Amino acid sequence: AQSVAQPEDQVNVAEGNPLTVKCTYSVSGNPYLFWYVQYPNRGLQFLLKYITGDNLVKGSYGFEAEFNKSQTSFHLKKPSALVSDSALYFCAVRDINDMRFGAGTRLTVKP
Amino acid sequence: KAGVTQTPRYLIKTRGQQVTLSCSPISGHRSVSWYQQTPGQGLQFLFEYFSETQRNKGNFPGRFSGRQFSNSRSEMNVSTLELGDSALYLCASSLNLGGAFFGQGTRLTVV
Repeated sequence: AQSVAQPEDQVNVAEGNPLTVKCTYSVSGNPYLFWYVQYPNRGLQFLLKYITGDNLVKGSYGFEAEFNKSQTSFHLKKPSALVSDSALYFCAVRDINDMRFGAGTRLTVKP
Repeated sequence: KAGVTQTPRYLIKTRGQQVTLSCSPISGHRSVSWYQQTPGQGLQFLFEYFSETQRNKGNFPGRFSGRQFSNSRSEMNVSTLELGDSALYLCASSLNLGGAFFGQGTRLTVV
C-alpha cells in the first residue's frame, strides 16, 4: 500500500525568502503525487500534481514541486514566500485504490 | 464550472443520534471520496464511490456508510454517533486518477 510522509510539522520562513515543504512517498509502481493547501475552516485546495513528464511541476500561486524518483521525494517549493501563503499543506499519493495524505505541514510566513 | 458542494456546513448532534451528510461533485466527475479530518488523526480516508459502487473503503467501523446516486451525488451516514466522531468531513470529486477537488467540508460536532 502507498504511503506518504511529511517529516516537518511546522515550517517557518520570513517573507520574501524561499520556502520548501518536504514530502517523501512510498508506492509500488508509478506514483501519482499531489499537493494541497488548506486555509482555516476550509476544504483542501489543489495546488499541483505529478503524473508523468518533467520532474519540475508548476502549480497555482507560484508554487512548484520537484519529483525525485531516486529519493522518493516530492518537495513543494516557492522562490519567494508571502505572508498569505501561511496555511496547512498536505502531500498526497494516489494509486488505483485510494488517495493517502501526509499528516500535513503548517507553514508560517512572517513579515 | 461549479465546485464540490457539501451540505450542511455545520452540524451539532448528540451522542447516539445518526447523521447524513451530502456531497454534490463537480459536473462530469464520477468519483466521490470521503475523508475525516481531526487534529489528532489528520486526514483519513473513509470510502470512495464510482458510478454508484463503493470502490474502496478505509478502516472505519460499520457505523460509517455511504452511497452514491445515479447523478453522482453522494451521501455519507454515521449512525450511533460518538463524541470521537466530531470532525471535519471532507468530500472530494475527481475524474478517475486525476487530482481530487474538495468541498468546503461539513463540521460535525457531537455533544
